[in-house]
Amino acid sequence: QIQLVQSGPELKKPGESLKISCKASGYTFTDYAMQWVKQAPGKGLQYMGWINTQTGKPTYADDFKERFVFSLETSASTAYLQINNLKNEDTATYFCARSTTDYWGQGVMVTVSS
Amino acid sequence: DIQMTQSPSLLSASVGDRVTLSCKASQSIYSSLAWYQQKLGEAPKLLIYSANSLQTGIPSRFSGSGYGTDFTLTISSLQPEDVATYFCHQYYSWPTFGAGTKLELK
Repeated sequence: QIQLVQSGPELKKPGESLKISCKASGYTFTDYAMQWVKQAPGKGLQYMGWINTQTGKPTYADDFKERFVFSLETSASTAYLQINNLKNEDTATYFCARSTTDYWGQGVMVTVSS
Repeated sequence: DIQMTQSPSLLSASVGDRVTLSCKASQSIYSSLAWYQQKLGEAPKLLIYSANSLQTGIPSRFSGSGYGTDFTLTISSLQPEDVATYFCHQYYSWPTFGAGTKLELK
């Protein structure tokens, strides 16, 4: 069956970096782009952008062009979200979803606190 | 970016009620609209795509309608397991989400 399994929760300090993984199974990884969505505590969904899983080309929303990096390890059917120079406002749950949005990862809760 | 406005933000209804949720786009998005259900602590679940197409495995009490700027998600007979927050999402241009409607039992 199709699954997107994300890495575990993260507790980080401001200024640190992290890398979240999203491992796909049950379908051909390169047939669908991978999207990333942010959900701050108690808030709605914010679209971060996507990565073309055939070319590796990322496309970022304006709010996520500075410190955020989408990448792939195609041989492992895995997409990654890296966040550099973490800020308190990065505290949120981060979801991956394949481009048709019919399958989502379970989400990674990221807490940034000094 | 296209703004998506959902109403109401909070809806209380009883089991068996017919429930209608609204989503309005700031410009025409034709039929490029999806609805998601999100329960506490879970990922969003796709219910409806292309404004009115029911995703595989979703109960038939859920239906979507609308075109252009005005869209509706209807639950024909509310069940206890439908308590959740519902989001609309346009993908006609740069994707955006509505702020959500929280559905609770009266």
